[in-house]
Amino acid sequence: AQTVTQSQPEMSVQEAETVTLSCTYDTSESDYYLFWYKQPPSRQMILVIRQEAYKQQNATENRFSVNFQKAAKSFSLKISDSQLGDAAMYFCAYRLYTGTASKLTFGTGTRLQVTL
Amino acid sequence: DTAVSQTPKYLVTQMGNDKSIKCEQNLGHDTMYWYKQDSKKFLKIMFSYNNKELIINETVPNRFSPKSPDKAHLNLHINSLELGDSAVYFCASSQVNLAPRDTQYFGPGTRLTVL
Repeated sequence: AQTVTQSQPEMSVQEAETVTLSCTYDTSESDYYLFWYKQPPSRQMILVIRQEAYKQQNATENRFSVNFQKAAKSFSLKISDSQLGDAAMYFCAYRLYTGTASKLTFGTGTRLQVTL
Repeated sequence: DTAVSQTPKYLVTQMGNDKSIKCEQNLGHDTMYWYKQDSKKFLKIMFSYNNKELIINETVPNRFSPKSPDKAHLNLHINSLELGDSAVYFCASSQVNLAPRDTQYFGPGTRLTVL
């Protein structure tokens, strides 16, 4: 079974600084997707970034980028120029590519605080 | 326009009651999901429907019964509610095999409290 581990329950960053959230996963498959979702206090689950395992290039979305290390099964999220609105729970998630619908397997989340 | 909507957003009820949560998506997706987020914020899949057909059914008590009248709707009915059912329930949708629409988009969640 696939598992996703987020070893940092809480992180803190100052506004305008950079922070990296860690995620590791365990799978014996070669085709899969990885995601970071953000859950602010409003509770809405918001997609931050997505990475296909077959792509060597790391995904980027504005201030958000990932460091995808397939051999190490590591998928960290870097947030640059942190803003107060980035404060939220961040969940790393894995989804197997099966050709049909497949479930997301989530990590336990990292709570990010952004301070002035 | 709301992409994935759920009603109600909050639900408070007594143990033993039966309740339903409704989910609708207007994204034209063919697959819908129910996830449960417990008090420790852990998210876990419960069910998934593709074109009204059940395709994922994790180990969930049979008091939980999903119903999909069409591919834009997936409702969750819960019989004989128990204290342990208290959680936030999220609906999500995606379009299978059509990147990036195969990404799952979530509704706002329904916080269920069983007293």
